[in-house]
Amino acid sequence: DAGVTQSPTHLIKTRGQQVTLRCSPKSGHDTVSWYQQALGQGPQFIFQYYEEEERQRGNFPDRFSGHQFPNYSSELNVNALLLGDSALYLCASSGGGGTGGNQPQHFGDGTRLSIL
Amino acid sequence: SQQGEEDPQALSIQEGENATMNCSYKTSINNLQWYRQNSGRGLVHLILIRSNEREKHSGRLRVTLDTSKKSSSLLITASRAADTASYFCASGSARQLTFGSGTQLTVLP
Repeated sequence: DAGVTQSPTHLIKTRGQQVTLRCSPKSGHDTVSWYQQALGQGPQFIFQYYEEEERQRGNFPDRFSGHQFPNYSSELNVNALLLGDSALYLCASSGGGGTGGNQPQHFGDGTRLSIL
Repeated sequence: SQQGEEDPQALSIQEGENATMNCSYKTSINNLQWYRQNSGRGLVHLILIRSNEREKHSGRLRVTLDTSKKSSSLLITASRAADTASYFCASGSARQLTFGSGTQLTVLP
């Protein structure tokens, strides 16, 4: 039973570019959340998707957007990249029908994004 | 911004000793969760305690929750070198988890 998978594992971009990160949730899970983790910090919640809609959003600008597909997989898009966007981006999935905060979340190993 | 703080920021102990980490949070919660993260990897869920519970056990883990003080603690008994990792608490509302800044635990063989 595959857990949460994320791609790519590493990515290098330059300022001003755009990036798309991908996530496949654990089998049986319907809710996907995205987090940004700066070096030495805890993960910060970006947003949560359920039933192909953004259900909750953290304190991130509109440059961060996402999508969830009918098979529950998800994408995170970041436009106009800034140096401060360099971080580990984590995807987490859960069951519970959109109440991800009430369930244990299963994390992928993340995408390491470096902005030059 | 982080929801709360963890204390201590770093902890170094000998194998076989117990490790205690504390967490404070700021707003009302449905539950409090603890996660472990090995270097360069994703987070692994350890234990969830609901807001109406005061204590919970899972193997060598013991978690307490004091909602009046908005605080929680994680005790790892009989620590092993493999327990070396960062530990994060996360306060849960219906739709999101808010993580603390973490405790780096080092268990020396």
